[in-house]
Amino acid sequence: AQKVTQAQTEISVVEKEDVTLDCVYETRDTTYYLFWYKQPPSGELVFLIRRNSFDEQNEISGRYSWNFQKSTSSFNFTITASQVVDSAVYFCGYRDEKLTFGTGTRLTIIP
Amino acid sequence: NAGVMQNPRHLVRRRGQEARLRCSPMKGHSHVYWYRQLPEEGLKFMVYLQKENIIDESGMPKERFSAEFPKEGPSILRIQQVVRGDSAAYFCASSPFSNQETQYFGPGTRLLVL
Repeated sequence: AQKVTQAQTEISVVEKEDVTLDCVYETRDTTYYLFWYKQPPSGELVFLIRRNSFDEQNEISGRYSWNFQKSTSSFNFTITASQVVDSAVYFCGYRDEKLTFGTGTRLTIIP
Repeated sequence: NAGVMQNPRHLVRRRGQEARLRCSPMKGHSHVYWYRQLPEEGLKFMVYLQKENIIDESGMPKERFSAEFPKEGPSILRIQQVVRGDSAAYFCASSPFSNQETQYFGPGTRLLVL
């Protein structure tokens, strides 16, 4: 079965610092999708990014960037110049037939 | 274009009562998924439905839980004879065409069993 590991349970950084959230997955599949979702204190789940297993290009969206390394089965998420509004729980997800989430990383940005 | 809608947002039940959670997918989406998030935990897949069909219910508890997605109307997650351990946030997600598409989540229903 697929497994998604987010080893960092909680991270706190001071505003404007950069922070990287780690995600490692286990799979024997060649075709799969990887995701990141954000869950702010209000509780909803916000889709951030989807990446398929054949596309190893890194992606940047504003202050957010994602580093997909198939060789190490990692899909890490970096926030540059963090802001208080980035405080949330971030979930990494893996999907082939069903979507499996990691246990999440709680990120706190200290003003 | 309205997102995924779930109601109620908060539901309180006493042990032994029934809980009904409703989910209306995004317009044009015919695939619905239910997930459960226990306190301080990640989301766990429960069931995947298309209109009038259950495609994958491998994450559903064997007893007391059922789900449907009728031809007309919202998807319903039903929990019979609730117990305290059912207290959790239940999220619904939808996707447009297939299980390979991005899933968009609703705001969740917080169920509290007293």
